Amino acid sequence: AQKVTQAQTEISVVEKEDVTLDCVYETRDTTYYLFWYKQPPSGELVFLIRRNSFDEQNEISGRYSWNFQKSTSSFNFTITASQVVDSAVYFCALSGGSGGSYIPTFGRGTSLIVHP
Amino acid sequence: DSGVTQTPKHLITATGQRVTLRCSPRSGDLSVYWYQQSLDQGLQFLIQYYNGEERAKGNILERFSAQQFPDLHSELNLSSLELGDSALYFCASSVVASSGSSYNEQFFGPGTRLTVL
Repeated sequence: AQKVTQAQTEISVVEKEDVTLDCVYETRDTTYYLFWYKQPPSGELVFLIRRNSFDEQNEISGRYSWNFQKSTSSFNFTITASQVVDSAVYFCALSGGSGGSYIPTFGRGTSLIVHP
Repeated sequence: DSGVTQTPKHLITATGQRVTLRCSPRSGDLSVYWYQQSLDQGLQFLIQYYNGEERAKGNILERFSAQQFPDLHSELNLSSLELGDSALYFCASSVVASSGSSYNEQFFGPGTRLTVL
C-alpha cells in the first residue's frame, strides 16, 4: 500500500522567509512518481511538479525548489523568499502501482500562511 | 485555468435528495477522476473513468455513481444525500495511455461545493 505523510499541518511565516514543506512517502514499487500540487484559497488544485523514481536530481523553478531523496523516501518542497501569494495548501502525492489504474495517493496537505 | 470545467460551482440541497455534478475534461484527456475533499477526510479518490469505461474505484459509497459519456464528459450522481456528504467535489483529467500510466499528472477543475442541509 502507498502512503504519503505531510507531518506539518500548518506553517506560518513572514514574507521573504524561506520555508520547506516536508513530504515522506512509502511504497513497494520500484517505479513510482511524486507530485506536488498547490490549492490556493480559490480552491482549485494546481499541478506544480512531477518527479519519477529514477531521477533524483533536484529541480528549481524560480523561487520553488524540490529535493528528492530516495534514501530517506522524501520529496521536500522549498519556497525561497516567500510571498503572500504563496499562501495556500500544498499537497504531495505519489502514484505507481499494479493493475493499470495508477491512482495517486495524496497527503493530508500542509497549509502555508505567509504574513506580510 | 487548467482546462477542466465543472458545474455547478455551488450546490445546496436537502438530505435525501439526489444531485448530479458535471465535469468536462481538458481537450485530449481521456481519463477522468472524481475526488471528494472534506476537512476530516482530506482528498479522497472516488472513481476513475478512461474513455468511457470505469478503470478504478476508491472510497465511493454505493449511493454514489458516475459515468463517462462518448464526448468524454463525466457526471457524478449522488443520491440519498446525508449531511456528511457536504464537501468539495473535484474532477480531474489526465492523458492516460491505454495500458495505464502513473506518470501523468492530473489537472483539476475548480470543484463543486456541495452543501447538504
